[in-house]
Formats: sequence, structure tokens, C-alpha cells
Amino acid sequence: AQSVTQPDIHITVSEGASLELRCNYSYGATPYLFWYVQSPGQGLQLLLKYFSGDTLVQGIKGFEAEFKRSQSSFNLRKPSVHWSDAAEYFCAVGGDDKIIFGKGTRLHILP
Amino acid sequence: DVKVTQSSRYLVKRTGEKVFLECVQDMDHENMFWYRQDPGLGLRLIYFSYDVKMKEKGDIPEGYSVSREKKERFSLILESASTNQTSMYLCASRTPGAQPQHFGDGTRLSIL
Repeated sequence: AQSVTQPDIHITVSEGASLELRCNYSYGATPYLFWYVQSPGQGLQLLLKYFSGDTLVQGIKGFEAEFKRSQSSFNLRKPSVHWSDAAEYFCAVGGDDKIIFGKGTRLHILP
Repeated sequence: DVKVTQSSRYLVKRTGEKVFLECVQDMDHENMFWYRQDPGLGLRLIYFSYDVKMKEKGDIPEGYSVSREKKERFSLILESASTNQTSMYLCASRTPGAQPQHFGDGTRLSIL
């Protein structure tokens, strides 16, 4: 079955610290992979996407993610978080038809 | 930039009413989607449409229907609203294939 797992419901980091949000997926074919961010009361904004090629992809707002086929993972990273990064983050996997979303990880930033 | 516009940010309706949620996109995307988002449950797909006048059930279609008479507009209909349909509703669109979905800002619907 196709699925996306974000094991951490909440994560708290201090401003300026590094961040890694985990994402594992189950998908029959080579997947398309996405990370989205949602600020309170807003829709989802695309941070980055992976379709093929270089397994380390760069996105907006200083985020990057690495596709590891052997681990079925697509973890999101940022070297130094800012207070404005506090939001909910969704990993998604899909193909040519539907996209499946994880349940999200809420990021809290300590001043 | 792609613009997906949902007609209302907040909506309050009564139990039993027929409710229409409207979504319009300006990038000529073939595919459109309706999700509901609830705390702890993430995004759940209600219905999607590959093209005009086409529709497919998602994971939770019960109590909902959709209409896609024009390519840019995808409407979600709650036939007889119930309190368990109180939720955040998100519309998205995309070009088919290896492309991401683009989302509207959502409609927070309360059924009293």
C-alpha cells in the first residue's frame, strides 16, 4: 500500500539550531516526492520537490532534502532555523495521478 | 505564479443546509482536488478531477459531491451538512504528471 509516515508529530528547536524532519514512504514505483509548509490559517506552500537526478534537492527559504532510496526516506533539513519557520510541514509522495500526504510535523521554535 | 482562489476563508452554516465551496485556478491546470484537513489526521482526499466534467472519488467521498463544468472551476458540495463536516477544506490544482499541487488558502467551515 502507498503511504507516507512522518514519525514526529511535534518538534521543538531553538532559534539558530539545525533542523531535520523525517519522512518515510511506501510506494510501488519510483516516486515523486514533495515537502510543503503550512503557516497558521493558510494553505500549503511548496518548499521543494524531487523527481529524478541529484538526490539532494534545494528548496525555498533555505531548506534542502535528501532522497535515500535504500531507506525509503526523504528527510527535510535546514542548517539554522528562524522564528518564522514555525509552522506545520507535510511530506508527500505521488505519481502521475494522486499525491499522498503525511499527517504533518508541527515545528516550534524557542527564542 | 499559480493562483488558486477559494471563495470563502470562513463559512458558518446550519445542519441540513446544502453548502457550496468554490475553487478557481488561473493556470489552465487539468487536475483539481478537494481535501479536508483535521488535527491529527492530515489531509484527506475527498474528490478529484482529471479534466472538465470528470470526477473521481477520493478516500472520504461520503456526504460530498463535486462539479466541474469549466476547466478553471471545481466546486465541492455538501448535500446535507452535518456537524462532523466541520473542518478546513483545501482546494488544489496541478498539471498532470511530475508536477506539484498548488493550494488555495483554505475555507474553514463550521456546521452548527
